Amino acid sequence: GDSVTQTEGLVTLTEGLPVMLNCTYQTIYSNPFLFWYVHYLNESPRLLLKSSTDNKRTEHQGFHATLHKSSSSFHLQKSSAQLSDSALYYCALSDTGNTRKLIFGLGTTLQVQP
Amino acid sequence: GALVYQYPRRTICKSGTSMRMECQAVGFQATSVAWYRQSPQKTFELIALSTVNSAIKYEQNFTQEKFPISHPNLSFSSMTVLNAYLEDRGLYLCGARATGGSYEQYFGPGTRLTVL
Repeated sequence: GDSVTQTEGLVTLTEGLPVMLNCTYQTIYSNPFLFWYVHYLNESPRLLLKSSTDNKRTEHQGFHATLHKSSSSFHLQKSSAQLSDSALYYCALSDTGNTRKLIFGLGTTLQVQP
Repeated sequence: GALVYQYPRRTICKSGTSMRMECQAVGFQATSVAWYRQSPQKTFELIALSTVNSAIKYEQNFTQEKFPISHPNLSFSSMTVLNAYLEDRGLYLCGARATGGSYEQYFGPGTRLTVL
């Protein structure tokens, strides 16, 4: 079945260093949509990035990700981490872009330290 | 902007009792609502997808008999956890999708269920 893998449960780094959160997926769909959601404590998960276009970089709020269908990856990156980036990040998969049904990864907690 | 409210935010119920949680879309019309559960140490798992004027579709391992859902209009949905037991504890998330071309799903903050 479809699945999303986020290999790191916790990523801790110092403010100003680059961020990379890994996401790989498995799906039978030929045109999957991939998403990154950011979840701050006691708030609603919020869409950060989405993409269905192979090898095209998508950016939002300083974060960027590129969907690579050849490697089934959609890693989240940022050039310089900020303290306010500390949160839980979920990678999710949907078929045909219809986000009525999302398949989530386990999530990666990003802790940015001063 | 589009917002999704969930009520209650936290609830505690005794084992074997039932509790109802609500999901309210504000600022947009929610043609479909997905209910997810995040059990301890696990990720969000889809329970069911509800679309106005269509049958509610439950995922494997989840049934209408256990998680009845109501979606009477484009701004409101509710789900009840019947006969809750320890394995039902977790964070229940409501995700609403708007009409039109946007594929974005807006999430509420969740209802955290504790079962004693």
